[in-house]
Amino acid sequence: GENVEQHPSTLSVQEGDSAVIKCTYSDSASNYFPWYKQELGKRPQLIIDIRSNVGEKKDQRIAVTLNKTAKHFSLHITETQPEDSAVYFCAAKGDGGFKTIFGAGTRLFVKA
Amino acid sequence: EPEVTQTPSHQVTQMGQEVILRCVPISNHLYFYWYRQILGQKVEFLVSFYNNEISEKSEIFDDQFSVERPDGSNFTLKIRSTKLEDSAMYFCASLVGTSYNEQFFGPGTRLTVL
Repeated sequence: GENVEQHPSTLSVQEGDSAVIKCTYSDSASNYFPWYKQELGKRPQLIIDIRSNVGEKKDQRIAVTLNKTAKHFSLHITETQPEDSAVYFCAAKGDGGFKTIFGAGTRLFVKA
Repeated sequence: EPEVTQTPSHQVTQMGQEVILRCVPISNHLYFYWYRQILGQKVEFLVSFYNNEISEKSEIFDDQFSVERPDGSNFTLKIRSTKLEDSAMYFCASLVGTSYNEQFFGPGTRLTVL
């Protein structure tokens, strides 16, 4: 069935360092790959997304890369700050009204 | 900016009781969803709803669950006879239409089954 694998489950970095989270997906029909940041007790918040016709997208300190052939996609956060500490979820979705399949999440700790 | 809203924010119920979780999707959106997140775990898809009918449902969404759009604004999730394992955060989401991809999530309802 459809599945999204996410690694690592926990990531601890020093403030100012970079953080990388990697995901793979199984459903070839997936064309939209959002990344969510979730703080405790809150809703998932979309931080960046990428469509399958794009290999890379950047928004300030956050970048995502997509290798559709290998079904891999990654989130890169540069110059991490303590407020980046949260759980990050990758996800995959088909175009239009299809459901979103979430990865298991990565708990990111940024140490000051 | 329009947002998806959910009520209540926290619901406590006894095992075996029925609960109804309510959502008001963004007004011009056409697709509606319910997701569940057990504490410390990932967000799991339950059901999608379009054109007044269920378009897809997961294995989790068994006969104990039902959804309804009783009027032009509300979208509800009913659990007929709650179990301890139904304790979770339930998120409603909506999406504009077929040509779009971003789902907008509500703040969630935390369901605690005792």
